[in-house]
Amino acid sequence: DAKTTQPNSMESNEEEPVHLPCNHSTISGTDYIHWYRQLPSQGPEYVIHGLTSNVNNRMASLAIAEDRKSSTLILHRATLRDAAVYYCILRGAGNTPLVFGKGTRLSVIA
Amino acid sequence: GAGVSQTPSNKVTEKGKYVELRCDPISGHTALYWYRQSLGQGPEFLIYFQGTGAADDSGLPNDRFFAVRPEGSVSTLKIQRTERGDSAVYLCASTLQGIANTEAFFGQGTRLTVV
Repeated sequence: DAKTTQPNSMESNEEEPVHLPCNHSTISGTDYIHWYRQLPSQGPEYVIHGLTSNVNNRMASLAIAEDRKSSTLILHRATLRDAAVYYCILRGAGNTPLVFGKGTRLSVIA
Repeated sequence: GAGVSQTPSNKVTEKGKYVELRCDPISGHTALYWYRQSLGQGPEFLIYFQGTGAADDSGLPNDRFFAVRPEGSVSTLKIQRTERGDSAVYLCASTLQGIANTEAFFGQGTRLTVV
């Protein structure tokens, strides 16, 4: 799987929007962009994924650059419960496992 | 069950002993994955099953680690002659199919401590 680059940590105020960036300049045309998050002492949890178009679900939005070399996970209104490590992962076509990097540790301040 | 279940949730064992960690995936999920996570690191891939067969075991660190999924549902990760460096949280995940456009569901993990 192609590599992703994320900031080590970010901080947000509660009830403010959060934009978590991810660079993936070596992405191939068939790679899906997945985001997972891991709350303290929990297993990772799926957040969202997309291929080319922006995606929205109840948890977040995913904005994908036109050239697909970067993407941004958007939490519209951060809560204390959103404090977690967020992983941006490229998953290739075919039977390939998710390959995790170190992710971005998001802190939310009340 | 409603989600991926892993047992035990915690396991303490002595160096040199054999341990088995169990994963019950979501019913009907054909793909099952094992990961290992050390403190402060992201999950590290170990092995992936599609049905009963290991489709990719490239992440197993050495021959002390082995995993099976004999009936295509429950999987057991087996560690022989445990070492202190094996201490970590072992995570299991399953997906409906092993393809890129599907969501993976993770269990809560088994925290293994080798003393």
